[in-house]
Amino acid sequence: SQTIHQWPATLVQPVGSPLSLECTVEGTSNPNLYWYRQAAGRGLQLLFYSIGIDQISSEVPQNLSASRPQDRQFILSSKKLLLSDSGFYLCAWTKIQGGAEAFFGQGTRLTVV
Amino acid sequence: GENVGLHLPTLSVQEGDNSIINCAYSNSASDYFIWYKQESGKGPQFIIDIRSNMDKRQGQRVTVLLNKTVKHLSLQIAATQPGDSAVHFCAESQASGTYKYIFGTGTRLKVLA
Repeated sequence: SQTIHQWPATLVQPVGSPLSLECTVEGTSNPNLYWYRQAAGRGLQLLFYSIGIDQISSEVPQNLSASRPQDRQFILSSKKLLLSDSGFYLCAWTKIQGGAEAFFGQGTRLTVV
Repeated sequence: GENVGLHLPTLSVQEGDNSIINCAYSNSASDYFIWYKQESGKGPQFIIDIRSNMDKRQGQRVTVLLNKTVKHLSLQIAATQPGDSAVHFCAESQASGTYKYIFGTGTRLKVLA
């Protein structure tokens, strides 16, 4: 069966510090991978998606970047965090062919102080 | 632009009663829709999905209705249980292979004992 791992679960970082959130998927190959951010009481905003290794699409201009160094690994990064980067970050994957359900990780609560 | 919205931010339902959560979408090209539920501090969980070639789809205690004429989606939960308490999101997408989803802000379902 497929599983998705996302870590850390919570993170408190000072303004100006770097960020690295990691997401890995097990039990499938060639997944579509996504990073979403969710502000408190709000819906999910798509940040990045990837259809393959080193293939990243950015949906909104921001202080963040994403990388996919391996087929089932998706990393969200920042060189210098802003207060506005605080939020709940979710990684997700979908199958390339057939089925369209997105499977989500458990999320990372990032607080920039 | 594209957007997906919900009519009610909070819905309180007596345990055992039926719940109906509504959603409006604006992109006529969307052909795939999902309902998710999200408990506090966790990632969204799949409830049910429907493709645009269908008007209705039933699962266990849940039914999704799609009205493409007015671009409206609803989730019906039969015999609502305390475990149904969560924020429920609808999402729309186009089956272009990347399965990018646009999520609504969500409706909080509160089940009263």
